[in-house]
Amino acid sequence: GQNIDQPTEMTATEGAIVQINCTYQTSGFNGLFWYQQHAGEAPTFLSYNVLDGLEEKGRFSSFLSRSKGYSYLLLKELQMKDSASYLCAVRDSNYQLIWGAGTKLIIKP
Amino acid sequence: ETGVTQTPRHLVMGMTNKKSLKCEQHLGHNAMYWYKQSAKKPLELMFVYSLEERVENNSVPSRFSPECPNSSHLFLHLHTLQPEDSALYLCASSQDSAGGYNEQFFGPGTRLTVL
Repeated sequence: GQNIDQPTEMTATEGAIVQINCTYQTSGFNGLFWYQQHAGEAPTFLSYNVLDGLEEKGRFSSFLSRSKGYSYLLLKELQMKDSASYLCAVRDSNYQLIWGAGTKLIIKP
Repeated sequence: ETGVTQTPRHLVMGMTNKKSLKCEQHLGHNAMYWYKQSAKKPLELMFVYSLEERVENNSVPSRFSPECPNSSHLFLHLHTLQPEDSALYLCASSQDSAGGYNEQFFGPGTRLTVL
């Protein structure tokens, strides 16, 4: 079967750095996405990785290792508004997105 | 605003009711999706439409019936639902249903409660 694993909940301090991990086992791989979802709102796109390595976009970076079936989302200089759920999704051989259950990130002052 | 709108935002219905959810995208995309989101569970893909043709139906019960009259509009018709169908129903669109970068843009969702 296909599976995406990510921690259920994480807590971090304002101004700090947090890394959210995602491991996957899917039938084929055609890219990995990270989305942010604030409570009661739509998921919004954060990043896309299809090749190994680090993609940096402002305070957010995403890393991919296809051989290990592993990705992480790195958030720097955390702000209170970063409190949200972070969803990892992998596009499989049929180009369908397989989603993780999301990681709820709680930022404390 | 993501360019994808959904109505209604909240819906409470009895098990014998018939209702419809509406989604509209203003992005010129060719693919549209229905997802179900339950608490602490992964997003469940229900239906995919590409250029108004259904290309995916992930074993969804027949009490959920999609309709895509054109590439900008998507409906989900509901009838004789069960309490376990209570969830957030999300609509999304993307440029195409396969290949390339193909980020999905989501609507705000309809919070459905079945009594």
